[in-house]
Amino acid sequence: RKEVEQDPGPFNVPEGATVAFNCTYSNSASQSFFWYRQDCRKEPKLLMSVYSSGNEDGRFTAQLNRASQYISLLIRDSKLSDSATYLCVVIFYGQNFVFGPGTRLSVLP
Amino acid sequence: DAGVIQSPRHEVTEMGQEVTLRCKPISGHDYLFWYRQTMMRGLELLIYFNNNVPIDDSGMPEDRFSAKMPNASFSTLKIQPSEPRDSAVYFCASTTDSNQPQHFGDGTRLSIL
Repeated sequence: RKEVEQDPGPFNVPEGATVAFNCTYSNSASQSFFWYRQDCRKEPKLLMSVYSSGNEDGRFTAQLNRASQYISLLIRDSKLSDSATYLCVVIFYGQNFVFGPGTRLSVLP
Repeated sequence: DAGVIQSPRHEVTEMGQEVTLRCKPISGHDYLFWYRQTMMRGLELLIYFNNNVPIDDSGMPEDRFSAKMPNASFSTLKIQPSEPRDSAVYFCASTTDSNQPQHFGDGTRLSIL
C-alpha cells in the first residue's frame, strides 16, 4: 500500500459547484500536512497548510482527521481557474515530504 | 524576492550524453530537494541536502545519477550516461526547515532521444 493515496479523478464539475477531495495516509506517525496545486506543465505551488483544528482560506477549507488518517480539501463556488491537479503532502516523522499522486479537477463552464 | 531558479528550462539530447541540471535555492533556505516527475510515477524525491550536505539519496535511481551542492546557493544534478527512460520533468525545491512547505522552481523538461 502506498504511503499517501488520492483518487486520481478527473473530477469534472460545473462552475459554482462545491467539490471535495480526500487524501489518505498509511502511517499514523505523521507530522505535517499540506495541499499543493499544480497547473499543467507548471511547478507545484503551496495552496494551504492543514492544521489539526481545520482551516479555511477564502473558498478553500482543509481538514485533518488523524483517527481515520485522512485530510480533505473542500472548494466552494468553484471557478474555471481552479482547474488543476491537487496534490496532498504528508510529512512523516523521520522522513521528508511524501506527495500523493494528485487529483485532477476540471471546472467546466 | 527571487524564487528557486533552475536551468535550463528545456533540454533535448541524445542518449549516452551527459546532462547537467542546475538549481539556485532561495537565499537563506538550508534545505534543497531534487524531484523527478513523470506521468507514470508522479513526483519522486531523488535526493535532498541540508546545509549543503546530502542527507538522503535513497531515491536516486542508479549510479548514473549524481548530485552535488558545492555551496549554499548552487546545486547540480548530473546524469551520465543519459537514457531515454530518464526523460521527465526535474524539479528543484528549497525550504527553511524540513517541516515547512517547500518552494519549487519552474523545473527542467528533459527529453532523451
